[in-house]
Amino acid sequence: AQSVSQHNHHVILSEAASLELGCNYSYGGTVNLFWYVQYPGQHLQLLLKYFSGDPLVKGIKGFEAEFIKSKFSFNLRKPSVQWSDTAEYFCAVKKFSGGYNKLIFGAGTRLAVHP
Amino acid sequence: GAVVSQHPSRVICKSGTSVKIECRSLDFQATTMFWYRQFPKKSLMLMATSNEGSKATYEQGVEKDKFLINHASLTLSTLTVTSAHPEDSSFYICSARDGQGGGNTIYFGEGSWLTVV
Repeated sequence: AQSVSQHNHHVILSEAASLELGCNYSYGGTVNLFWYVQYPGQHLQLLLKYFSGDPLVKGIKGFEAEFIKSKFSFNLRKPSVQWSDTAEYFCAVKKFSGGYNKLIFGAGTRLAVHP
Repeated sequence: GAVVSQHPSRVICKSGTSVKIECRSLDFQATTMFWYRQFPKKSLMLMATSNEGSKATYEQGVEKDKFLINHASLTLSTLTVTSAHPEDSSFYICSARDGQGGGNTIYFGEGSWLTVV
């Protein structure tokens, strides 16, 4: 079945550690890719998005993601995490289906950063 | 920046009653809005796509007679959970697409916690 897969459900890191969260999708054709973050008690916020062009996308708060078409992947990275990055991260794919553009989410990855 | 507002943020209702959740785009016109449901420790599940002035398109497995969606204006979509049951308790999130000026950005509301007792 077509899906968006996030490899890690829970990630625990110490401050200053590097972060990479995996995201793979199984939709063919043209897709738009997104990473969203949900801080505790807050709504979803867009971290970054890829539509076309440079496959290395830079987002807010020092996050970046690389689109690798051959691997159907869009992994999220940050060189040095902070305690304030503790949140849940969702990868999403926008796919045109049934006459509409639909945003399909992965299961999410809970990141806990310890001081 | 663009804002999407949901109301109420939390609601408790009795089993068997209906409850309405509103989703408003505050400073842009949203021809398309989406309703999601987020189960505990799970991802967001797309329930339906709502287009202004037409019937909503429901995802497979979502009961359209139970989850009534109305997109009566370019800034308002409502989700009504009819004859609510405890298993309908969940976090419901809407998003709205800002397509003005050739853009295609989706903004999310804060979500609404529904507890059915």
